[in-house]
Amino acid sequence: QKEVEQDPGPLSVPEGAIVSLNCTYSNSAFQYFMWYRQYSRKGPELLMYTYSSGNKEDGRFTAQVDKSSKYISLFIRDSQPSDSATYLCAMSVAYGQNFVFGPGTRLSVLP
Amino acid sequence: NAGVMQNPRHLVRRRGQEARLRCSPMKGHSHVYWYRQLPEEGLKFMVYLQKENIIDESGMPKERFSAEFPKEGPSILRIQQVVRGDSAAYFCASSPEVDRNKQYFGPGTRLTVT
Repeated sequence: QKEVEQDPGPLSVPEGAIVSLNCTYSNSAFQYFMWYRQYSRKGPELLMYTYSSGNKEDGRFTAQVDKSSKYISLFIRDSQPSDSATYLCAMSVAYGQNFVFGPGTRLSVLP
Repeated sequence: NAGVMQNPRHLVRRRGQEARLRCSPMKGHSHVYWYRQLPEEGLKFMVYLQKENIIDESGMPKERFSAEFPKEGPSILRIQQVVRGDSAAYFCASSPEVDRNKQYFGPGTRLTVT
């Protein structure tokens, strides 16, 4: 079993849809959770960063963490074609330490 | 404010040659992380460095790979005697002291071993 799992997709949605992206993990020691967006042949770009359980909202993006279920989600409202990218979840057990990344979900938002 | 810079962006090496990948962190960042991304796989942590110190190298292969972050100049990831399996995208990230969880990634170096 991989430490962090994501559905690889591709996930195709029409413009304006609400997108739900998810990760599950096996290590209950993870405390810090991040979401990155990666366009093709580019470096990952930090979108959201949360600590422990709960919700965090930033513009069209909402991150949710459920530590009891070992499950995190990223919601994108009013999705745009420019949101088409691969979304990576990442997590770490301690502050400032290395991240463990999921394999990523490819999202395609169709105009 | 320039982002994380990596060079070269593309590097082709024959089997047995050495590869040197350079990373200049964002201004004011003193923490550097190297990751490797294989095709269709996620990013895998390799090494975490501060100026003149290796903090965590648990993800780096024991042989042929080394990394440094000198007092002056960029961080260097060095791969000796490259093999085809080393072909991948190598990303570095940097973070500031005030929030080390915010890792900002460079554009990556794509290494191809022929």
